[in-house]
Amino acid sequence: EAQVTQNPRYLITVTGKKLTVTCSQNMNHEYMSWYRQDPGLGLRQIYYSMNVEVTDKGDVPEGYKVSRKEKRNFPLILESPSPNQTSLYFCASSFGGGNNQPQHFGDGTRLSIL
Amino acid sequence: GDSVTQMEGPVTLSEEAFLTINCTYTATGYPSLFWYVQYPGEGLQLLLKATKADDKGSNKGFEATYRKETTSFHLEKGSVQVSDSAVYFCALRGQGGTASKLTFGTGTRLQVTL
Repeated sequence: EAQVTQNPRYLITVTGKKLTVTCSQNMNHEYMSWYRQDPGLGLRQIYYSMNVEVTDKGDVPEGYKVSRKEKRNFPLILESPSPNQTSLYFCASSFGGGNNQPQHFGDGTRLSIL
Repeated sequence: GDSVTQMEGPVTLSEEAFLTINCTYTATGYPSLFWYVQYPGEGLQLLLKATKADDKGSNKGFEATYRKETTSFHLEKGSVQVSDSAVYFCALRGQGGTASKLTFGTGTRLQVTL
């Protein structure tokens, strides 16, 4: 089954404790992206990757890092999490970076930073 | 920059009522337009898309027509069911550099009652 898989689905942690949210897709997609969803703001892009070893900032990259060493994986790293990063996070992928390509989303990761 | 505006929710309808959720956009050139649906506790699922002016996207009884003259992509369904209760997001993927992300509206919550 074609899917985007995120782990963990839920995490409660404390300020400053490094964490990684994993994202994996099995569709051989070139493009991957991370979004955060906050009430009243919709979804906003954090980082994206057009292919292996190619990443770039989205609209809200501060406090996050990403890497793309393999085509299928695109982890999101919070080196020193803070309470304002409490949010619902989604990973997405698409076949390419063209504007007619719909993005496929994972089920989300709810992070609470205390 | 690109932006999407959708009607405020929540929208509450009785089963079998007609649904319209308004969506307008601002973008240069010819973006592709999408509707995504988010059921409680789940990720975003692509509902329908349209990639050029006058295209009509349709799926599961939902329809939306890409109107460039009014920069709109309103979602409609002739007869809603309780199972349609969810949050609906209008989104666009622009051309050139802005194809690197989806720009979302803030979402419209639909509640359908018996």
